[in-house]
Order: sequence, then structure tokens, then C-alpha cells
Amino acid sequence: GNSVTQMEGPVTLSEEAFLTINCTYTATGYPSLFWYVQYPGEGLQLLLKATKADDKGSNKGFEATYRKETTSFHLEKGSVQVSDSAVYFCALTSFSSASKIIFGSGTRLSIRP
Amino acid sequence: EPEVTQTPSHQVTQMGQEVILRCVPISNHLYFYWYRQILGQKVEFLVSFYNNEISEKSEIFDDQFSVERPDGSNFTLKIRSTKLEDSAMYFCASSEVGQNYEQYFGPGTRLTVT
Repeated sequence: GNSVTQMEGPVTLSEEAFLTINCTYTATGYPSLFWYVQYPGEGLQLLLKATKADDKGSNKGFEATYRKETTSFHLEKGSVQVSDSAVYFCALTSFSSASKIIFGSGTRLSIRP
Repeated sequence: EPEVTQTPSHQVTQMGQEVILRCVPISNHLYFYWYRQILGQKVEFLVSFYNNEISEKSEIFDDQFSVERPDGSNFTLKIRSTKLEDSAMYFCASSEVGQNYEQYFGPGTRLTVT
């Protein structure tokens, strides 16, 4: 079945460091890929998305590129801030799984000042 | 900006009791969903709802669970006889059209079963 595997956390970085959170997926067909963010005590917010191969999603300095050849959608940011501390979820939807979102296990990111 | 709202934000109940979690989706959306997140674990799909009927449900969504759209605005999740393992954060979401359209999530209801 469809699934998402993402980098285990927690990840702790210093402010202004470069961030990569790895995400790979297994899916039939052509899924849409997402990164959601959950700030402490809050719900899920869509951070960025990509709906077809080679698309790059970007928002708030974060980027991820849909790589069909490696079935990956790694999240990157060039210079993280303390306010980026949150849990990040990689996710997908595909026609074969109807409309539901399948989430990865989440990666907790902590940024030190 | 339109948003999905959920009430209550926190519900405490005793094992065996019935609970109803409420959601108000975005007004022009047609698909509605419930997900849950047990503390420290991944977010899991429970059920999707379209045109006044369930369009898909997961293995978690057994006979103890039901959903309803009782009027034009609310979307509810009922758990008939709560168990300790039902303790989780429950998220409602809605989207304009089901497949590959963005789902907007509410802030969640934290359910604690004692």
C-alpha cells in the first residue's frame, strides 16, 4: 500500500543552520506530495506541496522538490530560525487511496538561539 | 481567511461514555474528514464524507464510530463507548473537491478518556 517514510527525529540545530529533513514515499500512480507543520499546541498547517514530478514547492523559505526517480520529497531550508521549531510531517495523496492523506511519522525540529 | 473550527478544544470523559466532537468546515467545501493523532505518533486517517455519506473509512473506524452532518454547517464525530485507547487529538479537515485538492485542518480536539 501507499506509505511515507521520513527522517526520525528529534533534530536539533543552531539558528541559521541549513536544514534537511528526508522523506521518501511508496505509492501507485502519481501522488501529490505535501509537507505539513505542527507548531507547539496547534493544529496542522500546510507548509508546501507539489503535484507532479520535478515540481518544487516553496513557502516561508522552505523548499521541497518532487523527485519521481528517487521517490523523494526532502524538505530544505537554508537558514533556520528559532520560530521554525515544530513537528514536520511529510504526506501524500493519490488517486489509488482516494482522497485521504497518508502521513509520515513526523520529525520534531528544535532550533537553538 | 476562512478556517475550519472545532469544539471543544479539550474533552475529558470516562471510559464507556459517549462523546461527540464537533467541526464546522469551510462553507463552500464538499469533502469532510476526520483524522486522529495519538500522542507522539503519526496522524492517521479515520473517515472521509461526501454527499451525506461515508466515502472511505479506515480500519480504525469501527462500529463505535459514526459521523454525521446534522445541518448545513456542522460535521460531527461520535464515539459511542469510549475506550482508554481513544485518547488522542482528533482533527477535522475539509476540501473543495476530494482528490488532490488541499485539505484545510482545524486546530483539533484533544480527547482524554479516563
